[in-house]
Amino acid sequence: DSGVTQTPKHLITATGQRVTLRCSPRSGDLSVYWYQQSLDQGLQFLIQYYNGEERAKGNILERFSAQQFPDLHSELNLSSLELGDSALYFCASSSPLDIKDDYGYTFGSGTRLTVV
Amino acid sequence: AQSVAQPEDQVNVAEGNPLTVKCTYSVSGNPYLFWYVQYPNRGLQFLLKYITGDNLVKGSYGFEAEFNKSQTSFHLKKPSALVSDSALYFCAVRERVDTGRRALTFGSGTRLQVQP
Repeated sequence: DSGVTQTPKHLITATGQRVTLRCSPRSGDLSVYWYQQSLDQGLQFLIQYYNGEERAKGNILERFSAQQFPDLHSELNLSSLELGDSALYFCASSSPLDIKDDYGYTFGSGTRLTVV
Repeated sequence: AQSVAQPEDQVNVAEGNPLTVKCTYSVSGNPYLFWYVQYPNRGLQFLLKYITGDNLVKGSYGFEAEFNKSQTSFHLKKPSALVSDSALYFCAVRERVDTGRRALTFGSGTRLQVQP
């Protein structure tokens, strides 16, 4: 167990629907990152939050949004789903500690989204 | 902007032979470099990192990586491959900044296949 919890593990939904993916970061980590992993595009950075505030945006579609709550858990909302949104969605968290203690990220086990 | 290139989609090596997984990077300033490994249906796991200092970095499971600034490379190596090393390997980079932490940029991944 990495300490980063993602739910649900699997999700099957129809095109046009909306889903919410949840992530609880490792205890003490303030930053949460969302990544999309698809077969043809590798690991794509979507968005980063730090202590409740959006810090950086990557290749996130307008149909997607995220937020980080006061308890530091984060949710990724995907709407108007298309077949091409089928992918593994990873959440990762990182520590605010000094860089010598920085292991980059701790990843959750991901949510596999299948859009049919 | 920061980017990472992993030029090989797959590397095949016989058990007991040395292995190398290649990675080159591009950042505006000095980099922080990471290697992660992903086993099937799992999140990415930290292997090793280069922050500063010795160019040869030793990590988990007998892996090591050599930072070469002039060639902007950070190749992953292991003297003797095991069948259990078969997995997907990701190189990642983040530019050093004085404040905050930018998101990691990942390479496209290299699948390592170790034959018995």
